[in-house]
Amino acid sequence: RKEVEQDPGPFNVPEGATVAFNCTYSNSASQSFFWYRQDCRKEPKLLMSVYSSGNEDGRFTAQLNRASQYISLLIRDSKLSDSATYLCVLYGSSNTGKLIFGQGTTLQVKP
Amino acid sequence: GAGVSQSPSNKVTEKGKDVELRCDPISGHTALYWYRQSLGQGLEFLIYFQGNSAPDKSGLPSDRFSAERTGGSVSTLTIQRTQQEDSAVYLCASSQSGGSYEQYFGPGTRLTVT
Repeated sequence: RKEVEQDPGPFNVPEGATVAFNCTYSNSASQSFFWYRQDCRKEPKLLMSVYSSGNEDGRFTAQLNRASQYISLLIRDSKLSDSATYLCVLYGSSNTGKLIFGQGTTLQVKP
Repeated sequence: GAGVSQSPSNKVTEKGKDVELRCDPISGHTALYWYRQSLGQGLEFLIYFQGNSAPDKSGLPSDRFSAERTGGSVSTLTIQRTQQEDSAVYLCASSQSGGSYEQYFGPGTRLTVT
C-alpha cells in the first residue's frame, strides 16, 4: 500500500465551482501534512500546511482527520488559474524533513 | 533573491553512459534534497544533505546513483551506466535547515535515456 494515496482525477469543473480533494495516508504516526501545487512541467510549490484544527487561506481550506487518516483540500470559487496538479505531502521523517508525496490530483477549471 | 537553480534543464543520453546533474541551493540554506519524478509517478525522495552531517541516502534506488555536496553548497547527483528506467525529472530542493522548514524546489533536470 502506498504511503500517500490520491485520486489522480482529472477533476473538470466550471469556473466558480467548489471542488474538494481527499488524500489518505497509511502511517498513523505522521505528524505534518501539506498541500503542494504543481503546474505542468514546473516544480512543486507549497500551497499550504495542514493543521489539526483545519486552516483556511483565502479560497482554500485544508482539513486533517487523524482518526480516519485523511487530509482534504477545498477550493471555493474556482478560477482558471487554479488549474494544476495538487500534491498531498507529508513528512517521511520530521527530523530530516524528507517529504513523501502523493501522485497528485489534476484539476482543470473550464470557462 | 535567487531561487534554487539546476543544470542542465534537459539532458538526453545514451543507455550506459554516466550523467551528472547539478544543483545550486538558495544561499544560506543548509539542507538540500534530491527527488525524482517519473512519468505518471509521484515525487520520490532520493537523498538528503544537512550541513556536515552524513547524508541520508535511503532513497537512492541503486548503487549506480550517488551524490555529493561540496563546501555545504552546490550538489551533484551522478548516475552511472544509465538505464532507460532512469528517465525522469530530477528535482532539487533546499531549506533553511532540515526538519520542518519549507523546501524550495528548483526547476528540475529532465533526463531522457535512449
